[in-house]
Amino acid sequence: KAGVTQTPRYLIKTRGQQVTLSCSPISGHRSVSWYQQTPGQGLQFLFEYFSETQRNKGNFPGRFSGRQFSNSRSEMNVSTLELGDSALYLCASSQGSGNTIYFGEGSWLTVV
Amino acid sequence: GESVGLHLPTLSVQEGDNSIINCAYSNSASDYFIWYKQESGKGPQFIIDIRSNMDKRQGQRVTVLLNKTVKHLSLQIAATQPGDSAVYFCAERAGTASKLTFGTGTRLQVTL
Repeated sequence: KAGVTQTPRYLIKTRGQQVTLSCSPISGHRSVSWYQQTPGQGLQFLFEYFSETQRNKGNFPGRFSGRQFSNSRSEMNVSTLELGDSALYLCASSQGSGNTIYFGEGSWLTVV
Repeated sequence: GESVGLHLPTLSVQEGDNSIINCAYSNSASDYFIWYKQESGKGPQFIIDIRSNMDKRQGQRVTVLLNKTVKHLSLQIAATQPGDSAVYFCAERAGTASKLTFGTGTRLQVTL
């Protein structure tokens, strides 16, 4: 069974640009959540989607958004990129409420 | 890949010895706890989990202990191997939502 797949793995963007990251959950998993990991702040929850609906949201500005498609695949978007948005963005999936959460390898975003 | 969390507490253990990694959690309402292992350049890998109605759970070479009275969690790794070198995170969850709150992490270094 394939794990959580994230694309792209590495990308470099310029301040002010926007970026879209993609995540394919483990087959059969309907919950997808996103996390940001930085050396200073550690792992922080961004948002969670279940059955195409955002179910939970972390404490991030509105520049961070996401969506989930009917096949459970998810995308997150960051608009008007800032240098501080440079981070590892992790996608995680689970079968649903209360189940084990598995992470992908992440997308490394560098903003210059 | 890059290394996230460059200034983490570090535990150095000799190969073959047992390792104990500790974690204090903050939310009394948390009822589910997970340990993840993160190797350089990779996403967090699920190791073991425990629910709040248990105080001990064993896996292959790993044991998690939960003390709800003092809100403390520990991960014990038996016969530590070089491949165990990584950053270890504890995470907590309250209720059935998929939002995880992560600890700061501990870097485990296995010396030969």
